[in-house]
Amino acid sequence: DAGITQSPRHKVTETGTPVTLRCHQTENHRYMYWYRQDPGHGLRLIHYSYGVKDTDKGEVSDGYSVSRSKTEDFLLTLESATSSQTSVYFCAIRGTSGRGTGELFFGEGSRLTVL
Amino acid sequence: AQSVTQLGSHVSVSEGALVLLRCNYSSSVPPYLFWYVQYPNQGLQLLLKYTTGATLVKGINGFEAEFKKSETSFHLTKPSAHMSDAAEYFCVSGTYKYIFGTGTRLKVLA
Repeated sequence: DAGITQSPRHKVTETGTPVTLRCHQTENHRYMYWYRQDPGHGLRLIHYSYGVKDTDKGEVSDGYSVSRSKTEDFLLTLESATSSQTSVYFCAIRGTSGRGTGELFFGEGSRLTVL
Repeated sequence: AQSVTQLGSHVSVSEGALVLLRCNYSSSVPPYLFWYVQYPNQGLQLLLKYTTGATLVKGINGFEAEFKKSETSFHLTKPSAHMSDAAEYFCVSGTYKYIFGTGTRLKVLA
């Protein structure tokens, strides 16, 4: 158990509203990631973070922003949600010790529906 | 740019038959390589990973993969498929920035 929790786990919202998803970890990992999963596309990297206030874009970053003000929390914000952002969002951390080094550990996912 | 290609979005095999799921990566430097599995309505679970060293990697549930640098491939195999292997499989490449393939859904026929 990598101690990753995502919230909310399910959310339904309307087009044009802001949405924030939270990823919380308990083990002080430096690297954190946000992915979205859509049928036929696998998981696509949105943004990732390599430390407090250090973030970088992934493959599909348009329409998303992130923030990391403390090690344990990585927030994903949709400033103005669109129906194309309906997806399942996964947070992950990069393991840094022992057999888990370099391995991604995932949260349980957050299902977002934009009407 | 880094990329991962999985050949075949759907693969069907008979129970007891060989499973072969193909993955090719593109990277200027050999990255870490992984196979993850996702069972229906569940999260992602690591099957196996290659970092350095031995090019034949053994994972959980009888799966293994071979890293071939000359072919930039990391194909996943299992000698004998079981019904419980039905799932979606993802090949992943990266060291700090991880890129997923589009996935292969494995169906096992009785």
